[in-house]
Amino acid sequence: DAGITQSPRYKITETGRQVTLMCHQTWSHSYMFWYRQDLGHGLRLIYYSAAADITDKGEVPDGYVVSRSKTENFPLTLESATRSQTSVYFCASSGFRDYGYTFGSGTRLTVV
Amino acid sequence: QKEVEQNSGPLSVPEGAIASLNCTYSDRGSQSFFWYRQYSGKSPELIMSIYSNGDKEDGRFTAQLNKASQYVSLLIRDSQPSDSATYLCAVNGAAGNKLTFGGGTRVLVKP
Repeated sequence: DAGITQSPRYKITETGRQVTLMCHQTWSHSYMFWYRQDLGHGLRLIYYSAAADITDKGEVPDGYVVSRSKTENFPLTLESATRSQTSVYFCASSGFRDYGYTFGSGTRLTVV
Repeated sequence: QKEVEQNSGPLSVPEGAIASLNCTYSDRGSQSFFWYRQYSGKSPELIMSIYSNGDKEDGRFTAQLNKASQYVSLLIRDSQPSDSATYLCAVNGAAGNKLTFGGGTRVLVKP
């Protein structure tokens, strides 16, 4: 399917477990982003990537790891999940600087 | 101080009226500005972008930008119940392609 897809849509994990959220886009967009959305905090940038093998931290990167070996994929890994990482995670992509982003459908993660 | 500020609302407007949403930002070097609409439980959807001072119209939506005042606004004309959603202001600062989002304004359009 064309577009940007995230998986899984819902995930429940235990504290201390490693979990990976997947993001795949079919447009060959250069830029990809991970945001988390929480009540009271809005959307906050976790990590972003300007191209394959180029990643950088956003506003709230602690506890997260990203990689981008291929242009189309940008997985987000929580190395040791904590309850504070319970959130809705959105992946987004953009073809050019100063263009708006297109968001995936989101992953609702619950850490128990 | 948050970098992008919006009134959280809810902004309640009668059907057919104009909804006016405001957003202020702190980075004077900001280059591009966006409005997203987010329905409950869904992902944000881009509805408007604006890059230069003045007004930009797209259908029932008008975005207004005043860089001197660091102010962006969105007008929704002839508001419909389907416009009931949270509207997010997003600003692309001078330091690269990274959008900073405001907290969003919830809009309720009452029939």
